[in-house]
Amino acid sequence: TQLLEQSPQFLSIQEGENLTVYCNSSSVFSSLQWYRQEPGEGPVLLVTVVTGGEVKKLKRLTFQFGDARKDSSLHITAAQPGDTGLYLCAGAPRMNRDDKIIFGKGTRLHILP
Amino acid sequence: EAGVAQSPRYKIIEKRQSVAFWCNPISGHATLYWYQQILGQGPKLLIQFQNNGVVDDSQLPKDRFSAERLKGVDSTLKIQPAKLEDSAVYLCASSRVSGANVLTFGAGSRLTVL
Repeated sequence: TQLLEQSPQFLSIQEGENLTVYCNSSSVFSSLQWYRQEPGEGPVLLVTVVTGGEVKKLKRLTFQFGDARKDSSLHITAAQPGDTGLYLCAGAPRMNRDDKIIFGKGTRLHILP
Repeated sequence: EAGVAQSPRYKIIEKRQSVAFWCNPISGHATLYWYQQILGQGPKLLIQFQNNGVVDDSQLPKDRFSAERLKGVDSTLKIQPAKLEDSAVYLCASSRVSGANVLTFGAGSRLTVL
């Protein structure tokens, strides 16, 4: 069972366009994290969202945590080629007593110059 | 601070051979994780250590995979014998405490099994 569903799986857009990717679950999470992974590297943490409805901004990236803490979105404004990479959401479902962190399959983003 | 160190970066072996990966976490990080990332997928947790004890190894194929963290610092992950489906990137990560949900990853060890 894939607890974190990410969509779309792949996205290729032109530089300067806006985009939104999603991370959905039927489980409640105490927090969710977004990571970006570039080829040949490990994932790097971008942000953690903790409170339902929370919005965090990181330059042109806007992260939102759903009110029910079951989903999250990442919006990129005026995408640039440097945004290319695999975007992963992750978290520990509250039903996991062992705090096991699970990852979604990711959204592979390609920004065309 | 120094990051999570992993070696080797790349390894090519034939099926039924053995391989070992090494990880040195960030100094002071009590929790260490090994993840398997198959091409096109997100990381899947294989094993989680808290100091030198195992917290979770429910998804570790114990008939062929083993891992240890004897002194609560660095760790090794071994596969013996390897299968074709073990071809993946093996990522090591660490965090200050279990449940911190903020992981620092190494660059990974890419395994190709022929």
